[in-house]
Amino acid sequence: AQSVTQLGSHVSVSEGALVLLRCNYSSSVPPYLFWYVQYPNQGLQLLLKYTSAATLVKGINGFEAEFKKSETSFHLTKPSAHMSDAAEYFCAVKRGGGNKLTFGTGTQLKVEL
Amino acid sequence: EPEVTQTPSHQVTQMGQEVILRCVPISNHLYFYWYRQILGQKVEFLVSFYNNEISEKSEIFDDQFSVERPDGSNFTLKIRSTKLEDSAMYFCASSEDRDPTDTQYFGPGTRLTVL
Repeated sequence: AQSVTQLGSHVSVSEGALVLLRCNYSSSVPPYLFWYVQYPNQGLQLLLKYTSAATLVKGINGFEAEFKKSETSFHLTKPSAHMSDAAEYFCAVKRGGGNKLTFGTGTQLKVEL
Repeated sequence: EPEVTQTPSHQVTQMGQEVILRCVPISNHLYFYWYRQILGQKVEFLVSFYNNEISEKSEIFDDQFSVERPDGSNFTLKIRSTKLEDSAMYFCASSEDRDPTDTQYFGPGTRLTVL
């Protein structure tokens, strides 16, 4: 069964520092991969998605992710963290032929001054 | 910007009672979903709905659950006889169509508390 693993349930960075949130997928066929963000008391908002076009995907709010098949990874990065980036981030996968999203356990990002 | 809305934001009910969670998907979307997130756990898929029928459902979605699109705008999740373990945040989502690359847009959720 397809799944995603997010390493690190909590990540803390200083404002202005690099943000790196890790996601590895397991799938026997090329997957579609997504990163969602959840701000407190809000729903899930799509940051970016990989749909087998370009391997480097740019999203909203300065985030990007690179699909690396050899590493089965889809890590999320942002060059410079901002206080407003503090939220929970979810990696999700779905396989062609189905539409359900399978989510990782989430990573809570804390941004400190 | 169009968005998915859900009501109520918080529902408290007694075990064994029926609850109906309501969602208004984005107006031109054709594919609808329910997910849930038990506190401290991952977001889990429950069911997807297309062309007035269930497209896919998970093992969680047993006979006590049902979905309906009673009119042209609402999409509902009914839990017939709630259990303590049904306490969770329930998210509705919608997407334009069945293409798996289509983005799923999520509502803010309904927090269901079963006492």
